[in-house]
Amino acid sequence: DAGVTQSPTHLIKTRGQQVTLRCSPKSGHDTVSWYQQALGQGPQFIFQYYEEEERQRGNFPDRFSGHQFPNYSSELNVNALLLGDSALYLCASSLVGVVGNTIYFGEGSWLTVV
Amino acid sequence: SQQGEEDPQALSIQEGENATMNCSYKTSINNLQWYRQNSGRGLVHLILIRSNEREKHSGRLRVTLDTSKKSSSLLITASRAADTASYFCATDPGGFKTIFGAGTRLFVKA
Repeated sequence: DAGVTQSPTHLIKTRGQQVTLRCSPKSGHDTVSWYQQALGQGPQFIFQYYEEEERQRGNFPDRFSGHQFPNYSSELNVNALLLGDSALYLCASSLVGVVGNTIYFGEGSWLTVV
Repeated sequence: SQQGEEDPQALSIQEGENATMNCSYKTSINNLQWYRQNSGRGLVHLILIRSNEREKHSGRLRVTLDTSKKSSSLLITASRAADTASYFCATDPGGFKTIFGAGTRLFVKA
């Protein structure tokens, strides 16, 4: 049973560039959430996708956008990268409609903006 | 801003000792979860406690929840060096997002 997989694991981008991170949810899960975790901090909710639509968004600018595909996989796009976007980006999957459902996390993508 | 705040920020103990971490939150919740994160890796779910529960056990883990005080504690008994990690509480206040605290960094010395 495959867990949540993310790619790439590490990447370095230059300020102003754009980046795309990818996530495949745990088998059987239909909901994908994205989190940003700065060094020494807890994960911050970016947004959640279900049925290919963004259904809730955290306090992040429009430079952060996403997409969910029919197979439930998801992408996170960040435009006009800033140095402050350097962080671990975590994807989490869950199953909608399950009360108190457990969120399963991937290993994350480390983004460094120089 | 984050809903949960863990206390202490860092904790260093000897192997075999118990480790207690606390979490406070601000709004009413449906449930509270604890997660563990090894350095630079993904988060691993440890235990979930619902708002109508007061205590829950899982192996060497014991979680309590006091909704009147908006607080929770995680106790790890007989700690091991392999328990060295960051521990986060996460709340589900309604809606679709889960809110994490800043975490407690636990270091268990062998």
